[in-house]
Amino acid sequence: SSDLTQDPAVSVALGQTVRITCQGDSLITYQANWYQQKPGQAPVLVIYGENNRPSGIPDRFSGSSSGNTASLTITGAQAEDEADYYCNSRDSSGNLGLFGGGTELTVL
Amino acid sequence: QVQLQESGPGLVKPSETLSLTCTVSGGSISTHYWNWIRQPPGKGLEWLGYISYSGTTNYNPSVKSRVTVSADTSKNQFSLKLTSVAAADTAVYFCARGQFFDSSGFLLDYWGQGALVTVSS
Repeated sequence: SSDLTQDPAVSVALGQTVRITCQGDSLITYQANWYQQKPGQAPVLVIYGENNRPSGIPDRFSGSSSGNTASLTITGAQAEDEADYYCNSRDSSGNLGLFGGGTELTVL
Repeated sequence: QVQLQESGPGLVKPSETLSLTCTVSGGSISTHYWNWIRQPPGKGLEWLGYISYSGTTNYNPSVKSRVTVSADTSKNQFSLKLTSVAAADTAVYFCARGQFFDSSGFLLDYWGQGALVTVSS
């Protein structure tokens, strides 16, 4: 399959830890990236590859992967982390881009 | 700091051609990979395709027969054309810079703010 599967919605209590996952066969070969999107805004890259943060992204965001599953972990979630999160990678051919369906994160 | 800005008509009639341009500042389109992504209202992101610094293109099979991405290096712009549009093509269209890394990764690091295109008569 060339799809990336994410849970539609996840919630976390303020200050607690949450993991958002992304599953897909292509993740066995190709690395995943994670984007945060707030309403009315463009996506922002928060994690790329195994566990790399672009400049300016807080260190409470981290990434990991195992087999066909990539994960984004937010340790000590803040109210401003409430957003949609999308994983992205390449398809099994390596030539095409793929996005997961997105996970809506609610911080309670 | 690289910046991208989409421009083009916000309303396109069914069966006509959607055309958008992305103007890049703070960097040259003669490097990296230049992508188009869209997001229908209330839905997720869909990668449409890219043009590379060398002019190579790759497209999502879902739109491959209707889409063309081209570049004008003299203006530091790249463009999207989507033919025979229908209501299902109504979306916010984003342009973004892409790059390969670590031999197996491809990331999108700079994005435009997005342009809403509505397909309606």
